[in-house]
Amino acid sequence: EAGVTQFPSHSVIEKGQTVTLRCDPISGHDNLYWYRRVMGKEIKFLLHFVKESKQDESGMPNNRFLAERTGGTYSTLKVQPAELEDSGVYFCASSQDRDRRHEQYFGPGTRLTVT
Amino acid sequence: DQQVKQNSPSLSVQEGRISILNCDYTNSMFDYFLWYKKYPAEGPTFLISISSIKDKNEDGRFTVFLNKSAKHLSLHIVPSQPGDSAVYFCAASGWNTDKLIFGTGTRLQVFP
Repeated sequence: EAGVTQFPSHSVIEKGQTVTLRCDPISGHDNLYWYRRVMGKEIKFLLHFVKESKQDESGMPNNRFLAERTGGTYSTLKVQPAELEDSGVYFCASSQDRDRRHEQYFGPGTRLTVT
Repeated sequence: DQQVKQNSPSLSVQEGRISILNCDYTNSMFDYFLWYKKYPAEGPTFLISISSIKDKNEDGRFTVFLNKSAKHLSLHIVPSQPGDSAVYFCAASGWNTDKLIFGTGTRLQVFP
């Protein structure tokens, strides 16, 4: 069974540009989450999809961030326009069972550098 | 305002000995706690969890202890192996949310 995959693994962009990150969850997992880790600090929750619906987006930092999950499969996270403080590692995770929803399977992350 | 704290950024243990990683939390509404392990350039990997109704959960070499009155949990690894060298994150969640709140991590190094 393939794990959570993320693309790209690294992205370097200039301040003001747009970047789109992609996440493919484990097949059959209805729950999809985005997290990010900035400058070696704690991993912070961004949002949670159940299928194509946003269940919780309380962690989204501002309206420069837009997440979508059309069709309830893969998800994209767009940052537009990017700022220096957006640099960090963006993780995607997925889970299947409602009873074990906290046991989330993480992808390898996308390292975003904004210069 | 950090709700989950790992006050030790690093820990070094000899192979075969016990590793004890600690975590404190402030929110008494948390009802589920987890430990994740992370290798460089990889995402966190779920290791072990415990519900707030329990005070101990064991899985092979890994045991998690929960002290609700002290708002403290710990992860014991016995015996420690070089392959256990990684960053360990403590995480917590509430009953009505999937959101995981992570600590800053503890880097464990197991040396021969």
